[in-house]
Amino acid sequence: QLVQSGAEVKKPGESLKISCKGSGYTFSTFWIHWVRQMPGKGLEWMGSIYPADSDTRYSPSFQGQVTISADKSISTAYLQWSSLRASDTAIYYCASPIKAAAGELDSWGQGTLVTVSA
Amino acid sequence: DIVMTQSPDSLAVSLGERATISCRSSQSILNNSKRKNYLAWYQQKPGLPPRLLIYWASSRESGVPDRFSGSGSGTDFTLTISSLQAEDVAVYYCHQYFTTPQTFGQGTKLEIK
Repeated sequence: QLVQSGAEVKKPGESLKISCKGSGYTFSTFWIHWVRQMPGKGLEWMGSIYPADSDTRYSPSFQGQVTISADKSISTAYLQWSSLRASDTAIYYCASPIKAAAGELDSWGQGTLVTVSA
Repeated sequence: DIVMTQSPDSLAVSLGERATISCRSSQSILNNSKRKNYLAWYQQKPGLPPRLLIYWASSRESGVPDRFSGSGSGTDFTLTISSLQAEDVAVYYCHQYFTTPQTFGQGTKLEIK
């Protein structure tokens, strides 16, 4: 399963790193994906990482805005911002095709609510 | 990027009736060598993460009721709920995992009429 870190309240310009810890499977050999859901809106694919070699892919919409990383030694993936904006307010999900036939996202974290407000 | 477009944006169906949601991709998501469409459907209820319903366009995830079915190939796909139950009220999303960046449809809100 995937367990995410708790809700965060931050001010514009602050930095933040949220986490997603996998358990019960071989974490390093399955891609971890990050998905954003802004308030009342749909799902947006941000990017993904393969923990075994840290191969990382980004959506052009998020490239340069966030950094995805992973520490396979502790089965944890991260999503970080160096300077938050109010528009980063959203729920962020990690997801992985753990039991999947291909790349469909069959396992999801519970979500981390990030609120950015002055 | 592959753009995924769902229709309608919202849908109201009577209990026990059929609900149909469409999803169109801006280019084919069929892997010709594997003869598989890299298209999934998810259900999301308020306050919860999405739940995988259908993968490879028509394969039902374990534990998903058989009233849910998926069909289509290439660029046009459909999610059908054969007999709507009250617990099916949710937002439904299609998702292509054929290529990076992966993309989702905008979602279809399903309600009871």
